Amino acid sequence: AQSVTQLDSHVSVSEGTPVLLRCNYSSSYSPSLFWYVQHPNKGLQLLLKYTSAATLVKGINGFEAEFKKSETSFHLTKPSAHMSDAAEYFCVVKAGSQGNLIFGKGTKLSVKP
Amino acid sequence: GAVVSQHPSRVICKSGTSVKIECRSLDFQATTMFWYRQFPKKSLMLMATSNEGSKATYEQGVEKDKFLINHASLTLSTLTVTSAHPEDSSFYICSARDLARGGEGTEAFFGQGTRLTVV
Repeated sequence: AQSVTQLDSHVSVSEGTPVLLRCNYSSSYSPSLFWYVQHPNKGLQLLLKYTSAATLVKGINGFEAEFKKSETSFHLTKPSAHMSDAAEYFCVVKAGSQGNLIFGKGTKLSVKP
Repeated sequence: GAVVSQHPSRVICKSGTSVKIECRSLDFQATTMFWYRQFPKKSLMLMATSNEGSKATYEQGVEKDKFLINHASLTLSTLTVTSAHPEDSSFYICSARDLARGGEGTEAFFGQGTRLTVV
């Protein structure tokens, strides 16, 4: 069975400092992993995805994530936070033949001026 | 990228009434759509998987008679919350996968979500 654990419910950083949002997954086979961002009262936007190609995945808005099989991790990083990055971030693993997604509980990112 | 349009974005209804939420894939065909519910300060939980032309598959604990799902065409799925109660107030999001793109890891495209408030 697939599952995903986001280790931090809330992360607060200062503008211009690095961002690290942690995610661990459990999967019985090679997983497809995603990071989505949700701004307040809005839908979800895909940041990036891992599909068994390169282990370092670059996404939109300067975000990237590294798939580490040995650590079953898929942490999301960004070198320098912007105020506009403040949002909720979800780590997601794809499950099932039809492609339904299993969401982590989310990490709320706050960015201080 | 592909676009999924969800309507309405916000709705307020009285207890006991029914509310219909539409989810449309605008520029691709989606044989399968997914309906999620997001509780306050919590993650998204899959409610049901909607298959075009057949009955939806509901997750455990989701009342199929309360949350009616219809997927009559390749571009439209609807979720009807019947006899709504205040505890049904939530954020509902649909998603669809563009199967023509194929392959593992094909991203899902999400609607904008519907904020339902039952008073």
